Amino acid sequence: DVVMTQSQLSLPVTPGQSASISCRSSQSVAHRDGNTYLSWFHQRPGQSPRRLIYKVSIRDSGIPDRFSGSGAATDFTLKISRVEAEDVGIYYCMQSSHWPITFGQGTRLDIK
Amino acid sequence: QFQLVESGGDLVRPGGSLRLSCEASGFTFTNYGFYWVRQAPGKGLEWVAFIRHDGVNKYYADSVRGRFTVSRDDSKSTLYLQMNSLKIEDTAVYFCSHFDVWGRGTQVTVS
Repeated sequence: DVVMTQSQLSLPVTPGQSASISCRSSQSVAHRDGNTYLSWFHQRPGQSPRRLIYKVSIRDSGIPDRFSGSGAATDFTLKISRVEAEDVGIYYCMQSSHWPITFGQGTRLDIK
Repeated sequence: QFQLVESGGDLVRPGGSLRLSCEASGFTFTNYGFYWVRQAPGKGLEWVAFIRHDGVNKYYADSVRGRFTVSRDDSKSTLYLQMNSLKIEDTAVYFCSHFDVWGRGTQVTVS
């Protein structure tokens, strides 16, 4: 199985500042079809997850451009510019290039 | 708009069975494959099962293979998860999803 590791369990951020969340996979998540199926999700307390980014860097509809994804192979980053109070919650990375689909353990973003 | 609504969660004894349903609306159900994802209390997300758009290919997490079965009824735009031989560690909120769309989840408690 591909193990997804988010090294930061908690990330306190001052409003207006930027935050970067890292995600590392135990093997490349590049798919043989040429795509890299690496997604980022945000989950607020008591809510369902919401996808922010798919295929490493493509924002979902309605996601502000403050959110950006980057990376390749085994190292990926979600960057949130100008953090706002509504950004609190847990952020998960997920790979769906290889079965079984696996998630990172999550990074909790808190506002200072 | 796209909507997924889960139902069927309940309190069940270890070894028991349960069938979850997920009704879809607002889009062409037959065009999509669907996932079941669960979240144990205070824990992260765990992928459980996937069924392809044509219902032919199905994939399962090792933790549920042989006990859970995913299926779909295209005439009802509904996804199912039949859960047998339930264990205490299956306790979780179960979400159906296409990853860009998620339901609100249904609680399964095995105790």
